[in-house]
Amino acid sequence: DTAVSQTPKYLVTQMGNDKSIKCEQNLGHDTMYWYKQDSKKFLKIMFSYNNKELIINETVPNRFSPKSPDKAHLNLHINSLELGDSAVYFCASSQAQGASSYNEQFFGPGTRLTVL
Amino acid sequence: QKEVEQDPGPLSVPEGAIVSLNCTYSNSAFQYFMWYRQYSRKGPELLMYTYSSGNKEDGRFTAQVDKSSKYISLFIRDSQPSDSATYLCAMSDRRSSASKIIFGSGTRLSIRP
Repeated sequence: DTAVSQTPKYLVTQMGNDKSIKCEQNLGHDTMYWYKQDSKKFLKIMFSYNNKELIINETVPNRFSPKSPDKAHLNLHINSLELGDSAVYFCASSQAQGASSYNEQFFGPGTRLTVL
Repeated sequence: QKEVEQDPGPLSVPEGAIVSLNCTYSNSAFQYFMWYRQYSRKGPELLMYTYSSGNKEDGRFTAQVDKSSKYISLFIRDSQPSDSATYLCAMSDRRSSASKIIFGSGTRLSIRP
């Protein structure tokens, strides 16, 4: 019954590999996000999808490619992993359509990626 | 200069103390101001949000926004060990999902029993 879930929780991999992180939300929200949190706890938006359409695309290397097969899922594929990609990646979701007040973002538990 | 500045701490106070957490920002277009709490190894969760200037109270927590000084605060009264977490301030210029939320770097707070 987790609202926003991510898999895997931990990911340890070698430099140069390609990996994917998956996110699913069962809140019925129409918007999903990927954030990166570095070792200093700085949380930065990477991408946002609204109804499967990319609406925020920050300055992120094109090795990172998000994909939203439907409103409830947002995946992140990373090619040619580098040491600097080591971080915690958080997925979040919110409801934009019909929101009467601030559209609170609900975060998943995070995926801790370590690139060796 | 970062858009949002926050003292990373750590901040350690005894149980029952009043805690004051603060952020400054540079973008005068910010209208929505939020505080997120993040426990160790968990995702952030929204604690409070405020629109424009003013105060907002929720139980032991009070959020204050001073747009003229570009300064926001979170006060925690009667602090408890369960309040030990990292607190992230965050701000946005619009309500829509297309608007980015800019986060501070977080202040690590520890409440000593």
